[in-house]
Amino acid sequence: AQTVTQSQPEMSVQEAETVTLSCTYDTSESNYYLFWYKQPPSRQMILVIRQEAYKQQNATENRFSVNFQKAAKSFSLKISDSQLGDTAMYFCAFLVRNAGNNRKLIWGLGTSLAVNP
Amino acid sequence: KAGVTQTPRYLIKTRGQQVTLSCSPISGHRSVSWYQQTPGQGLQFLFEYFSETQRNKGNFPGRFSGRQFSNSRSEMNVSTLELGDSALYLCASSTGTSGGGLQYFGAGTRLSVL
Repeated sequence: AQTVTQSQPEMSVQEAETVTLSCTYDTSESNYYLFWYKQPPSRQMILVIRQEAYKQQNATENRFSVNFQKAAKSFSLKISDSQLGDTAMYFCAFLVRNAGNNRKLIWGLGTSLAVNP
Repeated sequence: KAGVTQTPRYLIKTRGQQVTLSCSPISGHRSVSWYQQTPGQGLQFLFEYFSETQRNKGNFPGRFSGRQFSNSRSEMNVSTLELGDSALYLCASSTGTSGGGLQYFGAGTRLSVL
């Protein structure tokens, strides 16, 4: 079965500090995509960062970066210089392909991140 | 370019009723996917429509159905509502053909079943 596990239901960090959110996944595929989405209280699901499994280089988007360990099936998100606006629910998601070669996202249960002033 | 629009934002229904939710994707996107989000189960994939055809579905009962129109707008219908159907329903649009599965989400419809 394809699964995504986020082991930290809640985390907090002080403004301007760095925090790392964990994610592990399970798949037998060799080529796939991994995502981090954030969902603030407004409920809008916003893409934070995307990683293609065949690329060894870790993806980076401004203050957000990932540590992708393919062999360990680990995909953690690092947020540097945390800002109050980073307060949100963070979801790790994994793109799977079904027998008909169609795709769907499999989601972790999320990590609630609070950035404190 | 306008984003993904979901209407209505909030709905209150009673058990046994049916409900229809609407999703207008980003212009040019042909794929619309639907997800149910609850505190206990997280996000669960309902189904995906591409060019008016359902091409992928999750493990939900037949009470959950959908359709897509020629302009790519999609509707989701839930019949004979149950208390457990209370959730945030999100739709996401994508090109459906490439882009590494990049999906763009609407703000969701909050459904409360009383």
